[in-house]
Amino acid sequence: NAGVTQTPKFQVLKTGQSMTLQCAQDMNHEYMSWYRQDPGMGLRLIHYSVGAGITDQGEVPNGYNVSRSTTEDFPLRLLSAAPSQTSVYFCASSYKGTQHFGDGTRLSIL
Amino acid sequence: AQSVTQLDSQVPVFEEAPVELRCNYSSSVSVYLFWYVQYPNQGLQLLLKYLSGSTLVKGINGFEAEFNKSQTSFHLRKPSVHISDTAEYFCAVSFMDSSYKLIFGSGTRLLVRP
Repeated sequence: NAGVTQTPKFQVLKTGQSMTLQCAQDMNHEYMSWYRQDPGMGLRLIHYSVGAGITDQGEVPNGYNVSRSTTEDFPLRLLSAAPSQTSVYFCASSYKGTQHFGDGTRLSIL
Repeated sequence: AQSVTQLDSQVPVFEEAPVELRCNYSSSVSVYLFWYVQYPNQGLQLLLKYLSGSTLVKGINGFEAEFNKSQTSFHLRKPSVHISDTAEYFCAVSFMDSSYKLIFGSGTRLLVRP
């Protein structure tokens, strides 16, 4: 039972570099989302998708892009990394209102 | 505006004492309500959820929560805590508009002392 799989688990980037955080789910869930978790601020919604080909912005979308070409995959792209994007990133998929979370990606921007 | 507020950033309590973690929300539409727990260096685990029906919801590890629509609250309770309950607890609300997006509170750190 893979559930929601995030890769990589850890990543260090230099300011200005780009990268893609991968997220895949094998539960055939239509709804997927990305969150970032920072101390004292809980989880904040970055982007979400209600199905393949449909994405929308959450609370903190600036600096991030997403696409949803398949039901299974929902990658998050940082086009030009900034130190303010140092965080732990969680991907989730949802069915009937209950979200299933991946184990997270710890990202540091130097 | 849609928002979720956890009023306490940290709650210290002695082992075997009762605890209540508070959560309030603001919404113009109906909601689904959730509590998640996060142990150090781990992901989020669902404790319990309210989708419909009885307003008193029982979850895992002896936790329960009560949905109060008039006060727009969903407080989490446990009658007797253990050291192992030390963790971060997050209230989350899914708003039943076209997005069904899930918004989290800022979290409450439960610190259980012997």
